[in-house]
Amino acid sequence: QVQLVESGGGVVQPGGSLRLSCLVSGFSFSTYTMHWVRQAPGKGLEWVAVISHDGSDKYYGDSVKGRFTISRDNPKNTLYLHINSLSAEDTAIYYCARGGIAVTVNLFDYWGQGTLVTVSS
Amino acid sequence: EIVLTQSPATLSLSPGERATLSCRASQSVDSYLAWYQQKPGQAPRLLIYDTSNRATDIPVRFSGSGSGTDFTLTISSLEPEDFAVYYCQSRSTWPPLFTFGPGTKVDFK
Repeated sequence: QVQLVESGGGVVQPGGSLRLSCLVSGFSFSTYTMHWVRQAPGKGLEWVAVISHDGSDKYYGDSVKGRFTISRDNPKNTLYLHINSLSAEDTAIYYCARGGIAVTVNLFDYWGQGTLVTVSS
Repeated sequence: EIVLTQSPATLSLSPGERATLSCRASQSVDSYLAWYQQKPGQAPRLLIYDTSNRATDIPVRFSGSGSGTDFTLTISSLEPEDFAVYYCQSRSTWPPLFTFGPGTKVDFK
């Protein structure tokens, strides 16, 4: 069955950096676009970034553009999110989610369980 | 940038009742509107995509409708497991930037 498992979260100081990973199984990873979505404690969902199936196209939400980098390693079935210059506003659960075959497909049909990033001194 | 507004913020209902949730987009999104359900401590789950298509294994009591800027998620008869938060979601045409609505909480009356 389809599985997405995030890792790499933790407590980081303001201004710090972190790399989140999402290991997937149960489907052909290299065929699908992938997304990161985050959720601050007690708040709603915020889309973070999308990457095309082959990594050639990447798009970001306004609040993370220039600080976050999405990437993927298809042979390793792994999605990444490099996050820099962290502030308290970045404290959230970070979910990876599967998109469609093209970046324009509007759905997230499978989600991981999320990894918590806490920015605190 | 597409802005999605959901109403009401909270919907208090009893099991067996019909739930009608609204989502309005700041500009036309054609039929590119999806709905998700999220329960406490869980990841969101896709319910509806492209306005009215049910995702895999989603019960028929969930239905979606609308077009352009106004969309509706209807739960025909609430089951106890349906009490949750529901988010609508869409994207801009180009570049493809995705957005979620603020959510509607369906809770027990």
